[in-house]
Amino acid sequence: QVQLQESGPGLVKPSETLSLTCAVSDYSISSDYYWGWIRQPPGKGLEWIGSLYPSGSTYHNPSLKSRVTISLDTSKNQFSLKLSSVTAADTAVYYCARHKAAEGTDYWGQGTLVTVSS
Amino acid sequence: QPVLTQSSSASASLGSSVKLTCTLSSGHSSYIIAWHQQQPGKAPRYLMKLEGSGSYNKGSGVPDRFSGSSSGADRYLTISDLQSEDEADYYCETWDSNSWVFGGGTKLTVL
Repeated sequence: QVQLQESGPGLVKPSETLSLTCAVSDYSISSDYYWGWIRQPPGKGLEWIGSLYPSGSTYHNPSLKSRVTISLDTSKNQFSLKLSSVTAADTAVYYCARHKAAEGTDYWGQGTLVTVSS
Repeated sequence: QPVLTQSSSASASLGSSVKLTCTLSSGHSSYIIAWHQQQPGKAPRYLMKLEGSGSYNKGSGVPDRFSGSSSGADRYLTISDLQSEDEADYYCETWDSNSWVFGGGTKLTVL
C-alpha cells in the first residue's frame, strides 16, 4: 500500500515562499507515475497545482505556473513543492498525490493545512 | 482543456440508491475520468476509473455498492444501499496533455 505524507510549516507570511515535502513509502518515486500537488481552500473544491514525472519533466496549472517549483529527491524517495509570493488566497489544505496518465489520481496524502497570514 | 461539471448537492435516503453525474465539456466526451470520495475532515479517496464505454476499475477496498456507468459526455457514479458513511463530497477528475482537472464536487447528504 503506497503511503504519502506531507510535511512543512503550517503558517507562512504574505509575500514569502511556501515549502512542503511529500515523503513516499512502499513505492519508488523513480517508477512510472506522476507525483503531484493538489490544494483545497477552506470550504471549496480541489485545485491541481502541478506534477512531476521521474524523467524530470514538470507540469503546472497555468494559473499558478510562474510561482510553482516542484522537485524530486530520489535518494530520500520524496518530492517537494515551493510556491512563491504567497497571499491569503493561497491558504488551503495541500495534498500530495500519485497519478498516472489514463488512470487518474490513485493515492493521496492526508493533507496539511497551510495558512498565509502575518 | 476539458471542464467537468457536477451538481453542487444531492440527497437520498438510507438504504436507497443515488446516481451522481459528472459531465465532460464539448469535444471531450470520450475522456476517461476518475471518481473520488471525500468524507468530512478527511483526504480524498480514489474510488474508480471510468471510461466512456462504461467500463470501470475500482480502487482497492471500494465496496461493491459503488459502480460506474457512462452515456455520451456524462459519467455516473451509482451508490446502492446507501450507508451513513457515504455522506461525503464526491469529485470527478480527468486529465489532458499532462495536466489534471477536477469537477466542483457534489455534496451527498444521506437522509
